[in-house]
Amino acid sequence: DTGVSQNPRHKITKRGQNVTFRCDPISEHNRLYWYRQTLGQGPEFLTYFQNEAQLEKSRLLSDRFSAERPKGSFSTLEIQRTEQGDSAMYLCASSLPGLARPYNEQFFGPGTRLTVL
Amino acid sequence: AQSVTQPDIHITVSEGASLELRCNYSYGATPYLFWYVQSPGQGLQLLLKYFSGDTLVQGIKGFEAEFKRSQSSFNLRKPSVHWSDAAEYFCAVGLMEYGNKLVFGAGTILRVKS
Repeated sequence: DTGVSQNPRHKITKRGQNVTFRCDPISEHNRLYWYRQTLGQGPEFLTYFQNEAQLEKSRLLSDRFSAERPKGSFSTLEIQRTEQGDSAMYLCASSLPGLARPYNEQFFGPGTRLTVL
Repeated sequence: AQSVTQPDIHITVSEGASLELRCNYSYGATPYLFWYVQSPGQGLQLLLKYFSGDTLVQGIKGFEAEFKRSQSSFNLRKPSVHWSDAAEYFCAVGLMEYGNKLVFGAGTILRVKS
């Protein structure tokens, strides 16, 4: 168990380009979350998956954002037509579902830092 | 709406001094409360959590936190701070009815003077 991994760690792109990030959760975790963290703020929830099903999306997730988890394992987050306001750290987390107990803690990856020029 | 407030943006303490970071939450149901620490360029590491039971919880690295329902608070404490504790600290509430998503405070940056 190597924890949650995210790639790339850093991405610099020009405004208007598309970018895609990948998250590999802890292997037995079937819940996967995406958060966005801007400078000076705490992380904000974007979306989450239970297995391959995307169960909730934040209003922060505009139609330029799309997330997938095709086989219930890794997930990708794509941003189309990037804007300077998309510059942030994108964090992925995974957890077990709340079956044995109401809540299971989330384990975070190192994040992907996106800079849009 | 659910929210978490960390009133102190920056705190500076001397090495060896005690520390208390404040956290207040707004949430109607039973809160699941967390403290995470983030070092520069790193992800979030869980320090401790409160689910139920004893209101004083112990975490890693010598940290503890006390849940006070009457004050809607979950303050983080450490009796003696080490220089390696310098980082940003986030309090969060977990929303069970919303897929267990976390709502975070804005964070408190801890600086340690030698």
